[in-house]
Amino acid sequence: AAGVIQSPRHLIKEKRETATLKCYPISRHDTVYWYQQGPGQDPQFLISFYEKMQSDKGSIPDRFSAQQFSDYHSELNMSSLELGDSALYFCASSLVSRRTNYGYTFGSGTRLTVV
Amino acid sequence: KNQVEQSPQSLIILEGKNCTLQCNYTVSPFSNLRWYKQDTGRGPVSLTIMTFSENTKSNGRYTATLDADTKQSSLHITASQLSDSASYICVVSEDRGSTLGRLYFGRGTQLTVWP
Repeated sequence: AAGVIQSPRHLIKEKRETATLKCYPISRHDTVYWYQQGPGQDPQFLISFYEKMQSDKGSIPDRFSAQQFSDYHSELNMSSLELGDSALYFCASSLVSRRTNYGYTFGSGTRLTVV
Repeated sequence: KNQVEQSPQSLIILEGKNCTLQCNYTVSPFSNLRWYKQDTGRGPVSLTIMTFSENTKSNGRYTATLDADTKQSSLHITASQLSDSASYICVVSEDRGSTLGRLYFGRGTQLTVWP
């Protein structure tokens, strides 16, 4: 079965440019979470969506925005990119109704490099 | 403050040997605990998931234990293989009732298996 799909796998952008990362959850999963992991750093929670509504917000900069669409895929939009935004961005999806037995499946991540 | 601490920070073992990784957490309220294997630059891949009522769970050569009273978990790897070289991350999920709570990540144990 297909897992969580993220695109692109790798992305190189210049400072002050804009980037859009996409996450396609597992079929029938209704929740998407975004995490940012800098080099050698712990993953940091950015934002999550449940049934297309924002459900939780973490340390997401104001320059970033995200949404979940009707097909449950999510996009993370990043504007005015800074060198410090270079990181691995990965998303996870889950099915809330089975939260005790199922849950987070992570995508392979998008490696963003800002030059 | 919700925290997840892992030990050791790094570990080198010879191929074929066993090892045990530790995870202590203070996350409350607790929902579940997962062990993930993360290769460099990739998203975490789930090994096991433990809920409050589970003490031991195995997945092939991986065996996880959970003591919810002392808030400790361990991951035991038997007959290690070169491909086991990776970062092993303990991730604890908080319980938020009707929606899945945030994930709290340990800093991981970097395991290196030598031939």
